[in-house]
Amino acid sequence: DAKTTQPNSMESNEEEPVHLPCNHSTISGTDYIHWYRQLPSQGPEYVIHGLTSNVNNRMASLAIAEDRKSSTLILHRATLRDAAVYYCILRDLRVGFQKLVFGTGTRLLVSP
Amino acid sequence: GAGVSQSPSNKVTEKGKDVELRCDPISGHTALYWYRQSLGQGLEFLIYFQGNSAPDKSGLPSDRFSAERTGGSVSTLTIQRTQQEDSAVYLCASTRDRFTDTQYFGPGTRLTVL
Repeated sequence: DAKTTQPNSMESNEEEPVHLPCNHSTISGTDYIHWYRQLPSQGPEYVIHGLTSNVNNRMASLAIAEDRKSSTLILHRATLRDAAVYYCILRDLRVGFQKLVFGTGTRLLVSP
Repeated sequence: GAGVSQSPSNKVTEKGKDVELRCDPISGHTALYWYRQSLGQGLEFLIYFQGNSAPDKSGLPSDRFSAERTGGSVSTLTIQRTQQEDSAVYLCASTRDRFTDTQYFGPGTRLTVL
């Protein structure tokens, strides 16, 4: 399984932007970059995914480095509800259905 | 629409007893996954189903663990002769599309083995 590296924790203030980094230096050309988050006492939820180009959706933006060895999840205006553990996961698009391999993720703390 | 549901939400059992955990996936979702999360630990894959077949059972920790899926829908995870180390939150996820494979998770079942 391809590896990702994320900081253990980050802090932000409410209504400020948050940039959550992820390193994946051994990424292969067929790996999608997926982000999930887990709010307290809930199951994980999908946030966003991308392959090469930057992606935007209603929850967040995903910026992917040109060499694809790193990516950044961007929350444009953090809210208290965004306090969660964020997981960056690589998924091989050739495989079809496959398990998600969760690392330790980044715990985001949001202060009022 | 309805999401993934799991029952019971909480289960307390005595060591040595058998337990069954149920997962109702989103209607029409082809694949179903089971994971578990022990206290303070990360999420650990257990097994996944495509239809009623289980192509990957590699995460089941011992032969006390088994799972089945019937009618391409509901799945049951059974733990026989429970041990204290089985205490964890058991999470189920389902997905429709094999290419993006976005997994939708249920709220989990918290299992406590006394």
